[in-house]
Amino acid sequence: DSGVTQTPKHLITATGQRVTLRCSPRSGDLSVYWYQQSLDQGLQFLIQYYNGEERAKGNILERFSAQQFPDLHSELNLSSLELGDSALYFCASSVGDSHYEQYFGPGTRLTVT
Amino acid sequence: EDQVTQSPEALRLQEGESSSLNCSYTVSGLRGLFWYRQDPGKGPEFLFTLYSAGEEKEKERLKATLTKKESFLHITAPKPEDSATYLCAVQFASGGSYIPTFGRGTSLIVHP
Repeated sequence: DSGVTQTPKHLITATGQRVTLRCSPRSGDLSVYWYQQSLDQGLQFLIQYYNGEERAKGNILERFSAQQFPDLHSELNLSSLELGDSALYFCASSVGDSHYEQYFGPGTRLTVT
Repeated sequence: EDQVTQSPEALRLQEGESSSLNCSYTVSGLRGLFWYRQDPGKGPEFLFTLYSAGEEKEKERLKATLTKKESFLHITAPKPEDSATYLCAVQFASGGSYIPTFGRGTSLIVHP
């Protein structure tokens, strides 16, 4: 158990819908990272927040957005969902802003039908 | 272009048969290379961090080493429970921030 929690574990929704994924970091960690993992793309970095502020942005679509709240939990919002958004979404946390190991949650498996 | 390449993509070993996994990277100013293990359907699990060429880290049957252009994950006398995908990652500097970038991984299967 990494100490990072993610909800829900599974999510099935239809194209065009909007969903919210939630992540709670390990106690004491200030950074939260979001990743998308699909079979053909590997683990792709989406976005990082550090102590409530956006710190780095990867290949995140405009339909996706995220935020980190004062209690340091984070949410990833996915809207106008397409079939190609079906993937595993991982959240990870680390103690610092960068150059630190990351601890990953169990993931949310999103299926868009 | 900054990137991370892992080889081989897949590796099958017999129990006890030692081998090495490779992670090569092109980045200016490495600020840490990370190894993770991922079991199917699970989140990656942190194994090692290496910061400078010549550094080595060990954990049970695994040993990670780092040179200026690549890292190796040596697996000594592997057991079936070592079967997993092994990922390496670096962080590339980009506009004042650092972008974590993972390789595609090496899928290791150890047969009893």
